[in-house]
Amino acid sequence: ELKVEQNPLFLSMQEGKNYTIYCNYSTTSDRLYWYRQDPGKSLESLFVLLSNGAVKQEGRLMASLDTKARLSTLHITAAVHDLSATYFCAVPLNTDKLIFGTGTRLQVFP
Amino acid sequence: SQTIHQWPATLVQPVGSPLSLECTVEGTSNPNLYWYRQAAGRGLQLLFYSVGIGQISSEVPQNLSASRPQDRQFILSSKKLLLSDSGFYLCAWSRRGTYEQYFGPGTRLTVT
Repeated sequence: ELKVEQNPLFLSMQEGKNYTIYCNYSTTSDRLYWYRQDPGKSLESLFVLLSNGAVKQEGRLMASLDTKARLSTLHITAAVHDLSATYFCAVPLNTDKLIFGTGTRLQVFP
Repeated sequence: SQTIHQWPATLVQPVGSPLSLECTVEGTSNPNLYWYRQAAGRGLQLLFYSVGIGQISSEVPQNLSASRPQDRQFILSSKKLLLSDSGFYLCAWSRRGTYEQYFGPGTRLTVT
């Protein structure tokens, strides 16, 4: 059974600080997806990582994938309030399903 | 471009009443379709998915059902709602043979 775990589950961080969210998964996969969910809203695609060593960056967020370690990281640089949201990683079980992590709720305060 | 619609956006229903939530996708053909539920402050629970008309896979046994009467239409139903059915219901689609899913705006259901 594929398990996808994220940590931390909740992250409260000060503006301007850096932090990393971790996503571990239990079976082999060569790709991983990150989604963002604003409070009360739906999920939107953030990053698509399609191979070992893939790195994607958008603004203050950078995601990477290590398929050998079965680990993806989402790094936040110099956090701002607009980044406050819940972040989910997801790993394909097959071509029909994604298994989502538990989510990391990020709160950025002044 | 592709668009996914859900309605209604919000719904308040009494316990024991029926439910029908609708999801439609535009701009693509033969999509995989998914229904998820998200309880308040929680993660995503996959309820049903469909790889074609009339083909429904159920992930969680419960009092909900799903149907796919047309290629780009996915319906979530219940004959009698329970309090525990309250939550945020999300429909998603993906291209056949690929993994990335695209989510609709969601329906917030409150069962009273």
